[in-house]
Amino acid sequence: DIQMTQSPSTLSASVGDRVTITCRASQTISRWLAWYQQKPGKAPKLLIHQASILEGGVPSRFGGSGSGTEFTLTITSLQPEDFAIYYCQQYHTSPTFGQGTKVEIK
Amino acid sequence: EALLLESGGGLVPPGGSLRVSCEASGFTFKNFAMSWVRQAPGKGLEWVSGISGSGTNTYYADSLKGRFNISRDNSRNMVFLEMNSLRVEDTAVYYCARDPDGANWFAPWGQGTLVIVSS
Repeated sequence: DIQMTQSPSTLSASVGDRVTITCRASQTISRWLAWYQQKPGKAPKLLIHQASILEGGVPSRFGGSGSGTEFTLTITSLQPEDFAIYYCQQYHTSPTFGQGTKVEIK
Repeated sequence: EALLLESGGGLVPPGGSLRVSCEASGFTFKNFAMSWVRQAPGKGLEWVSGISGSGTNTYYADSLKGRFNISRDNSRNMVFLEMNSLRVEDTAVYYCARDPDGANWFAPWGQGTLVIVSS
């Protein structure tokens, strides 16, 4: 299985901050990477697929980049509704997820 | 709007069996592969199983070692996960999710159904 490692595990930030989450794959996955947001007690919600394609309805402050083994999710100006846990997921082979990054209020 | 609604979760003793279901609406169900993803309490996400739109092809996480079986009924817009020889570590919320293009990324997800394996 391809291992996905996210950093940091927890990120403390304020409204308006620019936030970057990194996801690294244990082997190359081209651009076969998705990002999800999960709020407490809710199902995950797709934000981005194919590393940088924004899902319809997702605010443009969310952006994804990267290829190969290193990827980033950037939130350009953090909003109150963005405090959540974010997961990356590779789909180059049998799907695997990162361990999650919790974005909390500073 | 595509919607998914899981059901069938509950409390089951170790070694027992349970079938969870997912009913889809708002899209042409037979055209989409579907998957089950689980989340143990306070933990991350783990892909469990997937099935092609026709139901011909099925896929499983290696860790399940043949204990789970995925199926679908396109006439009822439903996908199922039958879980056998359940273990305490199978305790989780089980989500069904649509695979938009067969590539194994997922949108949308259902709200999940909780399976508790405990004596």
